[in-house]
Amino acid sequence: KAGVTQTPRYLIKTRGQQVTLSCSPISGHRSVSWYQQTPGQGLQFLFEYFSETQRNKGNFPGRFSGRQFSNSRSEMNVSTLELGDSALYLCASSLRQLAGPEDQYFGPGTRLLVL
Amino acid sequence: GQSLEQPSEVTAVEGAIVQINCTYQTSGFYGLSWYQQHDGGAPTFLSYNALDGLEETGRFSSFLSRSDSYGYLLLQELQMKDSASYFCAVPSLAGKSTFGDGTTLTVKP
Repeated sequence: KAGVTQTPRYLIKTRGQQVTLSCSPISGHRSVSWYQQTPGQGLQFLFEYFSETQRNKGNFPGRFSGRQFSNSRSEMNVSTLELGDSALYLCASSLRQLAGPEDQYFGPGTRLLVL
Repeated sequence: GQSLEQPSEVTAVEGAIVQINCTYQTSGFYGLSWYQQHDGGAPTFLSYNALDGLEETGRFSSFLSRSDSYGYLLLQELQMKDSASYFCAVPSLAGKSTFGDGTTLTVKP
C-alpha cells in the first residue's frame, strides 16, 4: 500500500507570494493533519481535516488555510509569504476519526524556502 | 495549554544505552507518544504509552508515569543508524498532537 505522498517535495518562493501544498493520504484514510517544522523545532500543529471538515486548528495566522477534497486529498495554502514561513510542512493521515498516534502516518514533507 | 520539555542533544557510543526524558504539562492527557526522525525524513512512530509503566519493542522501550507527568524513551544496543531526532508528543482528540522540540541523538563509533 502506498504511503502518504506530498507534492512538491521542495519549493522556493519569494516574500509576498503565495503557495499551495498538496497531501495525498494513504488509500482509505479520511483524516489529514498538517504540521509546520522549523529548523531545530518540534512540529507545530496547523489544522486537521476529516471528511472534508476542518475539526481542529492551531495558532497560526489567517494566512494559513487548508481544505480537504472528497477523495481525502488535502491542500494547504499560505498567502503573503514571510521569511519565517520557511519550514518543512508535514502532513499525516489516519484511518479513523479518533485515531491514536500509532495509527497516524506522516508523509515526507514539503520543504519550503522563502527568499 | 500544553508544553513538553526534552533535552536538546544527547551523545552516546555504539552498543551503549541511552535514555531520553520528557516532562509534560497538559490540560488533558491521553498518553505519551514517541517519534523518530532522520535528517530530512518523515517522523516515524515508535511507541505510545496510554497507561503507566514500561512498553518494550525490540531495542526500544518507553516508560510513562502519569503522576509525575514524566516519560522516557530508552534505546539499547545503540547502532549508528539510531542517530536521529527523537520527539515526545501528547496526542489529543481531533487529530492534533503537541510535540516537544526534539532531542538530537548522536551515536559515535
